[in-house]
Amino acid sequence: EAGVAQSPRYKIIEKRQSVAFWCNPISGHATLYWYQQILGQGPKLLIQFQNNGVVDDSQLPKDRFSAERLKGVDSTLKIQPAKLEDSAVYLCASSLSGSEKLFFGSGTQLSVL
Amino acid sequence: AQTVTQSQPEMSVQEAETVTLSCTYDTSENNYYLFWYKQPPSRQMILVIRQEAYKQQNATENRFSVNFQKAAKSFSLKISDSQLGDTAMYFCAFMKQWVSGTYKYIFGTGTRLKVLA
Repeated sequence: EAGVAQSPRYKIIEKRQSVAFWCNPISGHATLYWYQQILGQGPKLLIQFQNNGVVDDSQLPKDRFSAERLKGVDSTLKIQPAKLEDSAVYLCASSLSGSEKLFFGSGTQLSVL
Repeated sequence: AQTVTQSQPEMSVQEAETVTLSCTYDTSENNYYLFWYKQPPSRQMILVIRQEAYKQQNATENRFSVNFQKAAKSFSLKISDSQLGDTAMYFCAFMKQWVSGTYKYIFGTGTRLKVLA
């Protein structure tokens, strides 16, 4: 069974630039999560999708972050413009509908200079 | 609001010894799950063990076991016969049912465990 795929693995940008991350969840997984993990902290939920609808985006900084999940499959997370404090690992996770088990990708490590 | 606290930022243990990682949480929910996840340098979070709050029996998975104290809101992880491959960040996580049949997770800040040869 293929796991959760994320790309790129690393990204270095300058502040005020834009960046996008891509996630392809496990086939059939209706729920998709984007987490931000700042160094030394635990993952913090940015946005949660159920199919292509947003379930929770209460902690997404909507002035600069956006996310979409077209057709309820893969998803992109965008930051525009990036700030220094956006430096973090961005983790994508997915789960079957009604299941509590999360499957994580390997994340994208973003460095904003 | 739920919170998860891991009070040990770093720990070390000799290979083959036993180590216990601490986790406390705060919630008014009665039905929930608790998890321990391992995050090696590859960054991919791996489920180590889970506990349903309604179960009194502590969960075990091979060398990993938990001490779940519901009244005290404590959920510690014991690793027996520690191996070098256990070196990683360990996150405690609380999960409750959320909207639309989904679940909401809250993670602690993590404990960095180093197993020494």
